[in-house]
Amino acid sequence: GAVVSQHPSRVICKSGTSVKIECRSLDFQATTMFWYRQFPKQSLMLMATSNEGSKATYEQGVEKDKFLINHASLTLSTLTVTSAHPEDSSFYICSARTGGLSYEQYFGPGTRLTVT
Amino acid sequence: KQEVTQIPAALSVPEGENLVLNCSFTDSAIYNLQWFRQDPGKGLTSLLLIQSSQREQTSGRLNASLDKSSGRSTLYIAASQPGDSATYLCAVSGGLGNEKLTFGTGTRLTIIP
Repeated sequence: GAVVSQHPSRVICKSGTSVKIECRSLDFQATTMFWYRQFPKQSLMLMATSNEGSKATYEQGVEKDKFLINHASLTLSTLTVTSAHPEDSSFYICSARTGGLSYEQYFGPGTRLTVT
Repeated sequence: KQEVTQIPAALSVPEGENLVLNCSFTDSAIYNLQWFRQDPGKGLTSLLLIQSSQREQTSGRLNASLDKSSGRSTLYIAASQPGDSATYLCAVSGGLGNEKLTFGTGTRLTIIP
């Protein structure tokens, strides 16, 4: 149980274009989903927290107009990187929290974004 | 601001040995602590979660301990195997109202056959 998927697993896009990454909780409802970014040989950095039906909360230094997050249902959150640039190339990972008091997060397999 | 540090950054040990990975955090007001494993180019696999009220958790050859007051956690791996080679990350959560995970810098573990 508690499986999270991401699509696509890899994407290459040209500079200036936008790309959408999907995060789905497959066997549970996730009221809260999180988006992280990981640069090579570095740890994960939280970008934003999204709650179903409300606006995402972005971490300091993350541009909300560049990284659009939509959490339209209890099983789906999307991250859209708008007007992508080479410096946006990174590994993007989402996680989802189940209900209850454990606050355990389950992570997706990640999406490798390369902007050329 | 919570800061999480993992020492060592890299570790190589012969197969079969027991080993300990360390994690320290600056703010002891945590709700839980999780240990994850990450293989190159892959996502995270949750290994163990310790609630702040707990002292340790065990799963198979893995044992994680938590000393909240001193801001430390250890992950003990018994009888290491080449398949244990990966990067191990610890992360702490602040709980209700502060659910975000703050990750450590990771320990890259290599088990030598």
